[in-house]
Amino acid sequence: NAGVMQNPRHLVRRRGQEARLRCSPMKGHSHVYWYRQLPEEGLKFMVYLQKENIIDESGMPKERFSAEFPKEGPSILRIQQVVRGDSAAYFCASSPGTSVGNEQFFGPGTRLTVL
Amino acid sequence: AQKITQTQPGMFVQEKEAVTLDCTYDTSDPSYGLFWYKQPSSGEMIFLIYQGSYDQQNATEGRYSLNFQKARKSANLVISASQLGDSAMYFCAMRENRNTGNQFYFGTGTSLTVIP
Repeated sequence: NAGVMQNPRHLVRRRGQEARLRCSPMKGHSHVYWYRQLPEEGLKFMVYLQKENIIDESGMPKERFSAEFPKEGPSILRIQQVVRGDSAAYFCASSPGTSVGNEQFFGPGTRLTVL
Repeated sequence: AQKITQTQPGMFVQEKEAVTLDCTYDTSDPSYGLFWYKQPSSGEMIFLIYQGSYDQQNATEGRYSLNFQKARKSANLVISASQLGDSAMYFCAMRENRNTGNQFYFGTGTSLTVIP
């Protein structure tokens, strides 16, 4: 049973370019979460999605960031017109449910560097 | 207010000794879960241990145990018989039942270094 897959593992973009980060949840998991980890900090919640629906995007910056989880295929976190401050590790997690005891299984993360 | 507070940015422990990593939390939700994750230098997040707010006993998983003091709102991680491979960042996290998706709130982490 493969774990949460994220790609690419490392992504380098120049200011103004677009970054697309992909996440395939664990088999059977329909709940996907994206977190951002700035250097020397903990993970901060960005968005929670179920298939074809954004349930909670309270942690997403209002501009340039978007996320989707289509019926088929991976979840995508998209950052348009990247800036240096977007450099961070972006983690995807999936969960079989939303009760407090459900562990979230994390992917290996995508390290985004904006030049 | 911070949901999760980890007040120890860095800790050192001698190999084979035990170490306690502190975590306090803030919630008014009676139903919540507390988690500890390990993040080695390679960057992945590794689940260590879970404690539910209604659990009567402290959680244990091998060399990891959770010292849960509900009245003090603390959930300290105890690592017994430290090994060199335990050197990593450790994050405490909480899920609340009332949030729509029960996302995790993470602390800022504690960097643990095990000294040979």
